[in-house]
Amino acid sequence: DIQMTQSPSSLSASVGDRVTITCQARQDIGNYLSWYQQKPGRAPQLLIYAASKLQTGVPSRFSGSGSGADFTFTISGLQPEDIATYYCLQSDDLPYTFGQGTRVEI
Amino acid sequence: QVQLVQSGAEVRPPGSSVQISCRASGYTVTAYYIHWVRQAPGQGLEWVGTISPSDGTTTYAQSFQGRVTMTRDTSTFRFYLQLNSLTSADTAMFFCAREMVEIPSSLDYWGQGTLVTVSS
Repeated sequence: DIQMTQSPSSLSASVGDRVTITCQARQDIGNYLSWYQQKPGRAPQLLIYAASKLQTGVPSRFSGSGSGADFTFTISGLQPEDIATYYCLQSDDLPYTFGQGTRVEI
Repeated sequence: QVQLVQSGAEVRPPGSSVQISCRASGYTVTAYYIHWVRQAPGQGLEWVGTISPSDGTTTYAQSFQGRVTMTRDTSTFRFYLQLNSLTSADTAMFFCAREMVEIPSSLDYWGQGTLVTVSS
């Protein structure tokens, strides 16, 4: 299995701050990496796919970068509605594996 | 519009089985794999497995092997997850999700979730 190490596990930031989350794969996964937002009591929502492509309808303050084994997710200008837990997911090989999640608070 | 609608909450005693469903609509159902994801209370997301809608081929996570079965009914566009030998550790929300066709793939649409509670 491809282990995904996501950090930090939680963070606190102010409205307008730039927030960065990282995900590291145990092996090269190319750009088979996506990012999800999950709000309490809700299903996860796809934000970024193919490591850096913005899903339709997702605000442009969300972005992703990286390839191979190291990936970064950024919120440029944190908004109150961005309070959620964020997960990375590798889809390079089965079984798919998620990062442990990052809880973002204000 | 694409929709994945899951069946309602279930309560089961330890040692029993549960089957939950996911009804797909708004797209060509036979063209997109469906995945199942488990989330225990207060915990992260855990991939359970996937099923091909065209031929029913499945792949399961090792931790569920032997007690999970995924099936589909192409006539009703429903996907099913059955989990046997339930324990309290299986108390969780289960989500179905569609895998997008574009490569690299990701899970672009999700069901609302089905809460399974294992309790005597």
